[in-house]
Formats: sequence, C-alpha cells, structure tokens
Amino acid sequence: DMKVTQMPRYLIKRMGENVLLECGQDMSHETMYWYRQDPGLGLQLIYISYDVDSNSEGDIPKGYRVSRKKREHFSLILDSAKTNQTSVYFCASSLDRAGAETLYFGSGTRLTVL
Amino acid sequence: GEQVEQRPPHLSVREGDSAVITCTYTDPNSYYFFWYKQEPGASLQLLMKVFSSTEINEGQGFTVLLNKKDKRLSLNLTAAHPGDSAAYFCAASSNTDKVVFGTGTRLQVSP
Repeated sequence: DMKVTQMPRYLIKRMGENVLLECGQDMSHETMYWYRQDPGLGLQLIYISYDVDSNSEGDIPKGYRVSRKKREHFSLILDSAKTNQTSVYFCASSLDRAGAETLYFGSGTRLTVL
Repeated sequence: GEQVEQRPPHLSVREGDSAVITCTYTDPNSYYFFWYKQEPGASLQLLMKVFSSTEINEGQGFTVLLNKKDKRLSLNLTAAHPGDSAAYFCAASSNTDKVVFGTGTRLQVSP
C-alpha cells in the first residue's frame, strides 16, 4: 500500500518553542518534499530532499531546517517557532526528482503557533 | 522562474452543471502538467497528469485541455456532482525537480 504518513495531525505550540514534524513513506521514493499551504497561496515548497543527507532549499526555507537520515523518513524542524509559521504542512514524495513524477502527499499537519 | 495563476479561487455550481477551472503558466519550457484534488481535511491526490505532447485528456467525468500557444491549462468537470466538491490545484513543471502549484480553486457543488 503506497502511503505517506505524517505525524502529528494537529499541533499547538507557543512562540519560541521548537517544533518537529515527521514524515514517512513506504515506497522507497528517493525524493521527498515539505510544503506549507496557506489560504490563497497554494502550496509553497520549503525544502526538497533528493536522498539521505542530500537536501536543498525550496522557495521559503527561512526559519526551517530538515533532516533525512533514512530514505523513508524526512523531518521538518522549526527552531523557535513564530506565529507566522502557523499553517498546514504537507510532506510529499516522488519516485525520482519531480518533472514528470507524480507527488504523493501525506495527510498534513495543522500547526498553530500561539 | 515558472509562475502559475489559477482562476477562479472559489466556484459554486449546481449538480449537473459544468465547472471550469483555468490555469495560466509563464515558462514555455514547462512540459508536464498536473491536476490534484484535495477533499476537505484530506491530502492532495493526483487527478490527472498531462504532457505537452497531448492536448486533450479525458478522465471520469472531466476533461483536461492544454493550449500551449496561450500557455493555458483547464479542467472541465462536465456534469458536476456533490462528490466533486473539493479544492483543485493545477501544477506545472519543466524537466527539473521543481513543481509549481497554482493557488487552488475551492469548488462547491450543491444538490
């Protein structure tokens, strides 16, 4: 069963706290992504990972960092969360680098930073 | 870089009516185009993938048209039903690792 799993689904944090969002996939996909989705802005790419320890900034990387130590896991870390990082975060994976590849998305994490 | 504009942001139709969502893109090198559907509270799922070598693609209850000259991609739900109520996102990419998404259209189909 092809699946991208995100944890947690909902998260409430206070400003300045650290946040860890986790993502896993069972398809042995090389490439994984973190997006955030805000009303009226569609999906914005935060980071892309081509494989273990091979990560690249997306369009809005400021305030975020990522970790990929195993091919099937990709984590998004917010060090000292800010209120403007309140959003829905989606993890995705694809067999290879995007272009023609279909992206498989997780169910999302709704993060609220108070 | 590529920019994708999607219209309308919100669309309400009655069951049985058609619904058309349109995206325009800027990069003439974009070759792959996608439509994703996001049901309320759920993740995005691929609806259709098209390549610039084809202009019309038909799925179950919908048609995707690609006009390369005008750099326009459209999704036409021919006879919408309440189960089609969702957010729809177009996306475009060239032969690189970046997929650019439109801003989404929230479609509401009422009985």
